[in-house]
Amino acid sequence: QSALTQPASVSGSPGQSITISCTGTGSDVGGYNYVSWYQQHPGKAPKLIIFDVFNRPSGISHRFSGSKSGNTASLTVSGLQAEDEAVYFCSSYSSTTARLYVFGTGTTVTVL
Amino acid sequence: EVQLVESGGGLVKPGGSLRLSCAASRFSFSHSDMNWVRQAPGKGLEWLSSIGSGSRHIYYADSVKGRFIISRDNAKNSLYLQMNSLRVEDTGVYYCVRNVAPVAGNFDIWGLGTVVTVSS
Repeated sequence: QSALTQPASVSGSPGQSITISCTGTGSDVGGYNYVSWYQQHPGKAPKLIIFDVFNRPSGISHRFSGSKSGNTASLTVSGLQAEDEAVYFCSSYSSTTARLYVFGTGTTVTVL
Repeated sequence: EVQLVESGGGLVKPGGSLRLSCAASRFSFSHSDMNWVRQAPGKGLEWLSSIGSGSRHIYYADSVKGRFIISRDNAKNSLYLQMNSLRVEDTGVYYCVRNVAPVAGNFDIWGLGTVVTVSS
């Protein structure tokens, strides 16, 4: 597996909640509580918004929350706002020999 | 404000070499684990390499192992990536990234990236 699996796109109206899934294996997402999430606006560098499955860095809105069940992690964005329109990537530590960390395929969030 | 600034990107022919640099400022670089992450045009992120604060622990993705070399100079607050035997598929934006939590992979500081284009 070359990357964690995310839906290509998710959309929602302002004020609604959306959830993005991130599916891996027992060698990464399922095996460790080392899942992080990143937000990337066009032409910008990614920004850390969730680390260690559910923790938020200082300054990140409480509207972003993370969870994990088995080999699938999830990011929920509540109270969707126009500024949340971006691409979101998950990432996990990986115990395979191929790589130390693996990123997800990325999900484009559209605010309708 | 904490900052990472990459440089050294450019156009290179397949089989060629390039050395990327990353200058860090306003955080404790010498105590930080550092990484290179790339993003191919229109694609997702790919972790390439990590180096521990004292350069003792170095890791590479299989896709670049044997071709790329990561290094650092703590006295100069700088991170480097020597890229050899470059391939067309190495084209992309290369980010210098800090890992604030060793092992966990919490990439909290990112540079703006430098563009590498491998083409004949």
